[in-house]
Amino acid sequence: DAKTTQPTSMDCAEGRAANLPCNHSTISGNEYVYWYRQIHSQGPQYIIHGLKNNETNEMASLIITEDRKSSTLILPHATLRDTAVYYCIVTLTDKLIFGTGTRLQVFP
Amino acid sequence: GAVVSQHPSWVICKSGTSVKIECRSLDFQATTMFWYRQFPKQSLMLMATSNEGSKATYEQGVEKDKFLINHASLTLSTLTVTSAHPEDSSFYICSARDRFDLADSYNEQFFGPGTRLTVL
Repeated sequence: DAKTTQPTSMDCAEGRAANLPCNHSTISGNEYVYWYRQIHSQGPQYIIHGLKNNETNEMASLIITEDRKSSTLILPHATLRDTAVYYCIVTLTDKLIFGTGTRLQVFP
Repeated sequence: GAVVSQHPSWVICKSGTSVKIECRSLDFQATTMFWYRQFPKQSLMLMATSNEGSKATYEQGVEKDKFLINHASLTLSTLTVTSAHPEDSSFYICSARDRFDLADSYNEQFFGPGTRLTVL
């Protein structure tokens, strides 16, 4: 599975868009990009996934660069409840290997 | 949405005892479940893949005789920590895939709320 690199932490003002980057320069052609998040002391929660095209659902948008070497998760209007650790995972199989993730702190 | 439960949510035990943790998919069937361990301020570490009706597949470095996994039905997997010691104290989390998510590309896993194990 391709290795991912994410910033350790980020801050975002409530109501603003949170843009979380992920670098996966060694991604292979068939590997998908998944985003999960973990709120403190809870199990992770699926957010979104994509292969090549940009994706959007009720929670977030996923922007994947044309060369697929990086992606950005966008939370369009962050709320205090979005404070969590966000994990970007690239995998071909059904195994999810979690990296260190980005700790997003949304402040009032 | 799909719900995964874990029982117990927390447990405290004495060193040398065995502890069983249950992971249940409440509204879907799961042929595959996964077990993770998470130490404080660290990321989740995949321990093993549990397959219904067959032996679990353990990740490198995980002792299969210490962490016994049983996946006897499509809705239940159990993790037994045998002869637990203080270093086994951790947050144990399971996840499950819906058996009807047959597309290889779709890997949404549903996670349980976790079980906090403290070994004295």
